[in-house]
Amino acid sequence: NAGVTQTPKFQVLKTGQSMTLQCAQDMNHNSMYWYRQDPGMGLRLIYYSASEGTTDKGEVPNGYNVSRLNKREFSLRLESAAPSQTSVYFCASSFGTRGNTGELFFGEGSRLTVL
Amino acid sequence: GENVEQHPSTLSVQEGDSAVIKCTYSDSASNYFPWYKQELGKRPQLIIDIRSNVGEKKDQRIAVTLNKTAKHFSLHITETQPEDSAVYFCAASSDTGRRALTFGSGTRLQVQP
Repeated sequence: NAGVTQTPKFQVLKTGQSMTLQCAQDMNHNSMYWYRQDPGMGLRLIYYSASEGTTDKGEVPNGYNVSRLNKREFSLRLESAAPSQTSVYFCASSFGTRGNTGELFFGEGSRLTVL
Repeated sequence: GENVEQHPSTLSVQEGDSAVIKCTYSDSASNYFPWYKQELGKRPQLIIDIRSNVGEKKDQRIAVTLNKTAKHFSLHITETQPEDSAVYFCAASSDTGRRALTFGSGTRLQVQP
């Protein structure tokens, strides 16, 4: 039982390059989330998916796209990376759907640097 | 949308002292308030949560209090230990609108031995 697994753990990109962060959970959770963490700014929600087949914007969605491939997998894509997207990205999942989110289980994080 | 403010940003206490971290939220519809602990280089993990129909909840050395009228909630850690040193995040969500947690900016707690 791995929990939430995200890849890659580290990535360096040049401005304008694209990449996809992959996330998978094996807890049969309904909801999945992508957050970014920057110093002094806490965790900011990029996109979330309350159930398979649905995605919604969070606080900071510009420059990102997501795909809820199936119940287990939720990917985050940067189409044209910018230095402002240098951050640590966390994928998370929870059982909640229409009710409260419930406990979020986080992946280990992906550290992205855009030069 | 929801806005969560957290204070202080850093907190240093002596081992054995108590620590208090405070958060305010803006959306009166919010009804779920968890606290997460993040150790250096690790992922955030839930330590305690409270729902709006409860005013206080305790779990050993940690407690959370909620004042819905004033829209603020607090984390209390008693008898602090060096292993309590970490960054603590408060968060809030509701079961209407955006069904995802909005986090505060975090408090770095350092417990001096």
